[in-house]
Amino acid sequence: NAGVTQTPKFQVLKTGQSMTLQCAQDMNHNSMYWYRQDPGMGLRLIYYSASEGTTDKGEVPNGYNVSRLNKREFSLRLESAAPSQTSVYFCASRRAGIYNEQFFGPGTRLTVL
Amino acid sequence: AQSVTQLGSHVSVSEGALVLLRCNYSSSVPPYLFWYVQYPNQGLQLLLKYTSAATLVKGINGFEAEFKKSETSFHLTKPSAHMSDAAEYFCAVSGLGGKLIFGQGTELSVKP
Repeated sequence: NAGVTQTPKFQVLKTGQSMTLQCAQDMNHNSMYWYRQDPGMGLRLIYYSASEGTTDKGEVPNGYNVSRLNKREFSLRLESAAPSQTSVYFCASRRAGIYNEQFFGPGTRLTVL
Repeated sequence: AQSVTQLGSHVSVSEGALVLLRCNYSSSVPPYLFWYVQYPNQGLQLLLKYTSAATLVKGINGFEAEFKKSETSFHLTKPSAHMSDAAEYFCAVSGLGGKLIFGQGTELSVKP
């Protein structure tokens, strides 16, 4: 049981390049989330998917797109990377139910030059 | 709207001393509150959660937190700090759809 996995672990991009961050969970969770973590700002929600087939914007969605490929996988795409998107990105998943906590992946450290 | 404020971005304690990390929340509905810990270069791990069953919540690694509605607080404590407790700690409140609203985080240092 791997939990939540993310690929890649590290990535360096040049301004304007595109890339997709991959996330998968093997816990049969309905909901999945993408966050970015910046120093002194905690984690901020980019997009989330309450269930397979649905996605919604979070607090900081500009410059990102997502795809809920199936129940297991939720990808985050940067179409044209900008230096302001330099951050650590975390994927999380959660079982349905109001009391249930989110489980986090190990993160992807992205640098945009 | 819901929000979380963590007082103190850095807290330093001596090994064996009391750990107190402060969290205040704002919520128009009964809150579900969480504390997560992040060790260097790792993801977040759940320490404990408040789900209205009991105001004093016990978590992993000897941590506990007390929900105080009158003070809108959910402070995290541990009676005796260990070197391995050095990490960043996040308080969060759950919103619609299970979305988490995080505080800014508190980095805990433990001195030998």
